[in-house]
Amino acid sequence: GQNIDQPTEMTATEGAIVQINCTYQTSGFNGLFWYQQHAGEAPTFLSYNVLDGLEEKGRFSSFLSRSKGYSYLLLKELQMKDSASYLCAVRDPPSGSARQLTFGSGTQLTVLP
Amino acid sequence: EPEVTQTPSHQVTQMGQEVILRCVPISNHLYFYWYRQILGQKVEFLVSFYNNEISEKSEIFDDQFSVERPDGSNFTLKIRSTKLEDSAMYFCASSFGTGGTGELFFGEGSRLTVL
Repeated sequence: GQNIDQPTEMTATEGAIVQINCTYQTSGFNGLFWYQQHAGEAPTFLSYNVLDGLEEKGRFSSFLSRSKGYSYLLLKELQMKDSASYLCAVRDPPSGSARQLTFGSGTQLTVLP
Repeated sequence: EPEVTQTPSHQVTQMGQEVILRCVPISNHLYFYWYRQILGQKVEFLVSFYNNEISEKSEIFDDQFSVERPDGSNFTLKIRSTKLEDSAMYFCASSFGTGGTGELFFGEGSRLTVL
């Protein structure tokens, strides 16, 4: 089975730093993704981790610990436009050819002025 | 920048009717997917398609659902006899076949409302 957990909601202030955690339990693992989804829109790709450690991409960083089944997304210098749902997703293909992702329920981030 | 396009953006249908949702994946991608998102819920995997056949499908993807790649560019999802619980946003996605992160690129979605 697959289980991906992340907080339902978070609130932070413009200019601050926020960390969104994700824990997962999957039968296999072939990468962890973070997506951003604004209300009524498509998910858009933010980051990818397959090895342990930190990946940095501008204001966004993502960390992975495979032994702990844990990842976090770090958002720095928050802007109002960062208010969105952040989706943690794991690639856990039952076979080598499939590349679909299993998504968590998402963390709704509200950035306050 | 290449993108996944979906039509229609919104479709309203009566229960029991057939619906076809259309997608044009990014042209050099080899893997295609359908996901759905019921309002307020998580994005759920329906089916993946590779090399002109279904590679994986979830338990949601029952006999009422089918996918097809009728030509070199379109990828369709058909729901044979819609039910009220099929009301959702349906996202098409595509990804590269090999190399890179293999991230999925999503279309803007087709909102299906079943009355």
